[in-house]
Amino acid sequence: GAGVSQSPSNKVTEKGKDVELRCDPISGHTALYWYRQSLGQGLEFLIYFQGNSAPDKSGLPSDRFSAERTGGSVSTLTIQRTQQEDSAVYLCASSFAVISGNTIYFGEGSWLTVV
Amino acid sequence: QKEVEQNSGPLSVPEGAIASLNCTYSDRGSQSFFWYRQYSGKSPELIMSIYSNGDKEDGRFTAQLNKASQYVSLLIRDSQPSDSATYLCAVREGNAGNMLTFGGGTRLMVKP
Repeated sequence: GAGVSQSPSNKVTEKGKDVELRCDPISGHTALYWYRQSLGQGLEFLIYFQGNSAPDKSGLPSDRFSAERTGGSVSTLTIQRTQQEDSAVYLCASSFAVISGNTIYFGEGSWLTVV
Repeated sequence: QKEVEQNSGPLSVPEGAIASLNCTYSDRGSQSFFWYRQYSGKSPELIMSIYSNGDKEDGRFTAQLNKASQYVSLLIRDSQPSDSATYLCAVREGNAGNMLTFGGGTRLMVKP
């Protein structure tokens, strides 16, 4: 597609439930990132995929968080046993290969509210 | 831990004035520097990138980089109310990958 596509755009879930957030990167982009932004805060890095390399998971806050990227394209971020502190907007971004000058483009985000 | 620091603001400037936004970073190995603008409820959009010491101008925007002092700034000339947004500084290290580390953002308010 023309831009990074994320779904759902909004999700309200009960505490303890699992949620899945989907990201479809820009066609041809081999790098894909997940960031989290809590209300009024900056962007917190979660995980990064580059081609077929092992993902950089160093930003995942707990083992309740996991992400997959199938076929080098679509990615799914899964949050198990959601907690209220997981409420945030989850931003996906993509770029061309790992070269320092490549621009990263963001999707519109998935707004997660845990009640 | 790599850190990118910004004053959270709000920075309030009158319409037509110059807005100056500053950012410092901790990792001396950083090679690429970016300014993103984020309107409330929207995703960040790239407005400037800079890789070399000095100034880079693009329309009303000028990015300034000083690697020795580890700071990068963004100047917005002739500020407009439509420039009111949060400005995020992002830094990428040169070797290990393509990950961006973001600052907390500075909220800019341009008053008519």
